[in-house]
Amino acid sequence: SAVISQKPSRDICQRGTSLTIQCQVDSQVTMMFWYRQQPGQSLTLIATANQGSEATYESGFVIDKFPISRPNLTFSTLTVSNMSPEDSSIYLCSVGQGYYNEQFFGPGTRLTVL
Amino acid sequence: GQQVMQIPQYQHVQEGEDFTTYCNSSTTLSNIQWYKQRPGGHPVFLIQLVKSGEVKKQKRLTFQFGEAKKNSSLHITATQTTDVGTYFCAGPRETSYDKVIFGPGTSLSVIP
Repeated sequence: SAVISQKPSRDICQRGTSLTIQCQVDSQVTMMFWYRQQPGQSLTLIATANQGSEATYESGFVIDKFPISRPNLTFSTLTVSNMSPEDSSIYLCSVGQGYYNEQFFGPGTRLTVL
Repeated sequence: GQQVMQIPQYQHVQEGEDFTTYCNSSTTLSNIQWYKQRPGGHPVFLIQLVKSGEVKKQKRLTFQFGEAKKNSSLHITATQTTDVGTYFCAGPRETSYDKVIFGPGTSLSVIP
């Protein structure tokens, strides 16, 4: 399975600021996924990052709030813009592998917005 | 829209007791996946089931896929403190098979 790293692992930010989260995979992958996990909740897909094209956002998530870059097949970034306390969550990137697209996750970024 | 549900939401068991979590989908699934997330950790893929009625075992864990491919269960025999965590089931999105929809999870606590 792919080995995925994320930076930063955690951060505490002030409201109104932005944070960029990086995700690095040890192999080339077509699609990378960004999830949000609010405290005590399940995983919600934010967007799918495709190399060479714009990210595809899920209902309730917009590019202005969560801009995504995918400059190559092993790397992606997610920016959480103009943060508010409601953005306090764990943000996880993942890749799908295998015929049935099993998800392999990075360690996550634990974000607290004050 | 498509929904994946799990019960119970929480389960507290004495160490050595058995534990079962149930997963139900509003739609027929081509496969179902199970993940475990330890406290403070990230979800880790455990297993996938593909065939109707399939049963798979991993040591003390037994996974079943229903005949109608709309439900699944995870049973842990003789729980240990290392089993603590949240167990999620997941299946392919009805509208986009390259994406996965997760259930709400069952949080397991094991009392030593």
